[in-house]
Amino acid sequence: GQQVMQIPQYQHVQEGEDFTTYCNSSTTLSNIQWYKQRPGGHPVFLIQLVKSGEVKKQKRLTFQFGEAKKNSSLHITATQTTDVGTYFCAGRGDTGRRALTFGSGTRLQVQP
Amino acid sequence: DVKVTQSSRYLVKRTGEKVFLECVQDMDHENMFWYRQDPGLGLRLIYFSYDVKMKEKGDIPEGYSVSREKKERFSLILESASTNQTSMYLCASSGTGGGNEQFFGPGTRLTVL
Repeated sequence: GQQVMQIPQYQHVQEGEDFTTYCNSSTTLSNIQWYKQRPGGHPVFLIQLVKSGEVKKQKRLTFQFGEAKKNSSLHITATQTTDVGTYFCAGRGDTGRRALTFGSGTRLQVQP
Repeated sequence: DVKVTQSSRYLVKRTGEKVFLECVQDMDHENMFWYRQDPGLGLRLIYFSYDVKMKEKGDIPEGYSVSREKKERFSLILESASTNQTSMYLCASSGTGGGNEQFFGPGTRLTVL
């Protein structure tokens, strides 16, 4: 079945440093979504990417979808303590499966 | 605002008990999902439903069943709870298309003793 791998599993940065998490799928994706889960909270939708090579920005966050539509990345510029949480990618394959497959997540810790 | 509610935030049950986890959404969404979340494993899909009385198995359906008698409500049932079902259970809903954003409930932390 479809697998979505996410690295790193955990990252600890100093406030102001950049951060990147990577997502790789075993199959081609029709779209990919990113979610953020704050400590003690539930996942909250951030963005969806659909097109090959697509790049979207939300303030300090930059999301990319690979040309082959099998990988994606989330980059945060100049991290802040409010960025703390776990970031999940979730992909929907082009095999007809209705549901998303979530990656294992990257937990980000930001040291003030 | 979309609201997805779950019947309990914390639940403690004994091995062998039948457990019901309830989820209700107020946005008339067609799709509803049940996940379990364990450290290092992310969100794993148990079951999902794309219409009333319709369901599909996710990646880890063993030991679970579901019920969707009304569009707004999706129930997860543990027929005979076991200690390896101790976990955080998250419900989510989304509109049509399957690729639309999912809205999550607050989660139920279930402990099976």
